[in-house]
Amino acid sequence: GAVVSQHPSRVICKSGTSVKIECRSLDFQATTMFWYRQFPKQSLMLMATSNEGSKATYEQGVEKDKFLINHASLTLSTLTVTSAHPEDSSFYICSARVDSNSYNEQFFGPGTRLTVL
Amino acid sequence: GNSVTQMEGPVTLSEEAFLTINCTYTATGYPSLFWYVQYPGEGLQLLLKATKADDKGSNKGFEATYRKETTSFHLEKGSVQVSDSAVYFCALSTNGQNFVFGPGTRLSVLP
Repeated sequence: GAVVSQHPSRVICKSGTSVKIECRSLDFQATTMFWYRQFPKQSLMLMATSNEGSKATYEQGVEKDKFLINHASLTLSTLTVTSAHPEDSSFYICSARVDSNSYNEQFFGPGTRLTVL
Repeated sequence: GNSVTQMEGPVTLSEEAFLTINCTYTATGYPSLFWYVQYPGEGLQLLLKATKADDKGSNKGFEATYRKETTSFHLEKGSVQVSDSAVYFCALSTNGQNFVFGPGTRLSVLP
């Protein structure tokens, strides 16, 4: 099956710094990737849809200036949490849609756990 | 809008017990349905899926049947193992873009 990787898997940073998380599709091209956020013991909430070569589409309530998304190539999307604060601590998961797949399936990365001190 | 409802957990079972996790959905159109599993500290893994009514998805002893008449996609396993302890998410997608997840059900299997 299609494989999606994320880097780093864990990151701890100080309040006020910026953190970049990478999401890569390893064996397929993805014009569309998605970023989710998961709080402890809760479900995934879609933050934004990342489209290669264009601006990301953010869900209501998600600050686009806070969570910068760049989809620079067909295999890479990045999420930058700018001026991170403790309330940004969460598990961030990306997914990628297989463009040729007709079953409406997304493949998920292993997640990145962000802790802001 | 589209939504997914799951039975509330946590669910605690003894090894070899029968498992059912209920999932119902509300959607416009004809969604594809999924069950994902999340082991502690890890991301989501696709467990099984069904793309049309009456389809049965199965994997690793787990099964779920797409019931359009009851808008349900209940997850079942005949004999659970300790290694099945995880959080299970029911999800739907109507166009490959908008995934909607249920709240998740935490399963603990005791030896």
